[in-house]
Amino acid sequence: GAVVSQHPSWVICKSGTSVKIECRSLDFQATTMFWYRQFPKQSLMLMATSNEGSKATYEQGVEKDKFLINHASLTLSTLTVTSAHPEDSSFYICSASSEDSYNEQFFGPGTRLTVL
Amino acid sequence: GESVGLHLPTLSVQEGDNSIINCAYSNSASDYFIWYKQESGKGPQFIIDIRSNMDKRQGQRVTVLLNKTVKHLSLQIAATQPGDSAVYFCAEMDSSYKLIFGSGTRLLVRP
Repeated sequence: GAVVSQHPSWVICKSGTSVKIECRSLDFQATTMFWYRQFPKQSLMLMATSNEGSKATYEQGVEKDKFLINHASLTLSTLTVTSAHPEDSSFYICSASSEDSYNEQFFGPGTRLTVL
Repeated sequence: GESVGLHLPTLSVQEGDNSIINCAYSNSASDYFIWYKQESGKGPQFIIDIRSNMDKRQGQRVTVLLNKTVKHLSLQIAATQPGDSAVYFCAEMDSSYKLIFGSGTRLLVRP
């Protein structure tokens, strides 16, 4: 149980385009989803927290107009990187927790974004 | 250890030996800590957790030690195997259930 998937697993796009990444909880209802970014050989940095049906809460320094997060259902959250640039190239990872276990975050496999 | 630029500290151990990975956390008010294993190109995988009312917790081949006085966590892996090679992160959970990750340690297991 407690499986989280991400799609796509990797994506290459041209500078200036937008890319959408999906995060799904497959066998539980994710009341809260988290989006992280990880640059090579670095740690995971939290970008934003989203609760189903509410606007996402962004961490300091993360542009909310550039990284659009939607959490419209209890099993799906999306992260859209708008007008992507090469410096946005990174590994994006989501995690999800349920109402029953706030302190357990189940992580997705990550999405590798490369912006040319 | 601390992250220096783009270089993860690396621990190299012989297969079969025990490994000890250390981590310093930042918030003395944190009351829940987790160790994760991350293989290349994958998401973090839960290994073991510990609450602040404990100082030791054991799992299968792994033990986590918590020293709240000096805000230090360690992960001990017994009889390290090649499949244990990965990057290990400690994380602390803050009062709003957000995880703050440490800088990570790469474990290399020599055959």
